[in-house]
Amino acid sequence: DAKTTQPPSMDCAEGRAANLPCNHSTISGNEYVYWYRQIHSQGPQYIIHGLKNNETNEMASLIITEDRKSSTLILPHATLRDTAVYYCIVRVALPAAGNKLTFGGGTRVLVKP
Amino acid sequence: SAVISQKPSRDICQRGTSLTIQCQVDSQVTMMFWYRQQPGQSLTLIATANQGSEATYESGFVIDKFPISRPNLTFSTLTVSNMSPEDSSIYLCSAGGQGAYNEQFFGPGTRLTVL
Repeated sequence: DAKTTQPPSMDCAEGRAANLPCNHSTISGNEYVYWYRQIHSQGPQYIIHGLKNNETNEMASLIITEDRKSSTLILPHATLRDTAVYYCIVRVALPAAGNKLTFGGGTRVLVKP
Repeated sequence: SAVISQKPSRDICQRGTSLTIQCQVDSQVTMMFWYRQQPGQSLTLIATANQGSEATYESGFVIDKFPISRPNLTFSTLTVSNMSPEDSSIYLCSAGGQGAYNEQFFGPGTRLTVL
């Protein structure tokens, strides 16, 4: 699976949009981009995933560049409960790869009042 | 979505002993996994728990140290054997279907402290 690079930490203001970047310059054509987050003392929580089109759900939006070498997770209106470590993961879609996830360091996001 | 529970939620153990962690999923799932999260670190995959056959271990993890069982499609156990203080970590169970479209769900984790 391709490696991802994320900033180690970032702060954002409550009520403002939080834009979390992720670089995956070695991504291959059959790899998806997944985002998970881990709130303190909890297990990781799935947020969103995409292949090449932008995606939106009730939690966030995922913007993937045309060359697919980077992406941005957008939390449209950050709340204090969004304080967590956010992980960007790329993963192949082949059945032989199973469903395992390889976690990098993630971005520690602190939402401030 | 799948709801995953783990027992125990935390434990404090003496070195040289073993602890078995249970993972229960509220629905049948194809894949189950065990991860370790050392203090202040990210998650590391220990193994894939295969139903009806031996688990598939990642590099650096061996069956003698982390025996895993998966008797059916909703339950798995991880044993941490002959524990040392270096085994103090959070151990997380996860589950999901096959293919990229199925997200993976995680349990709350078991916080293990080895004295």
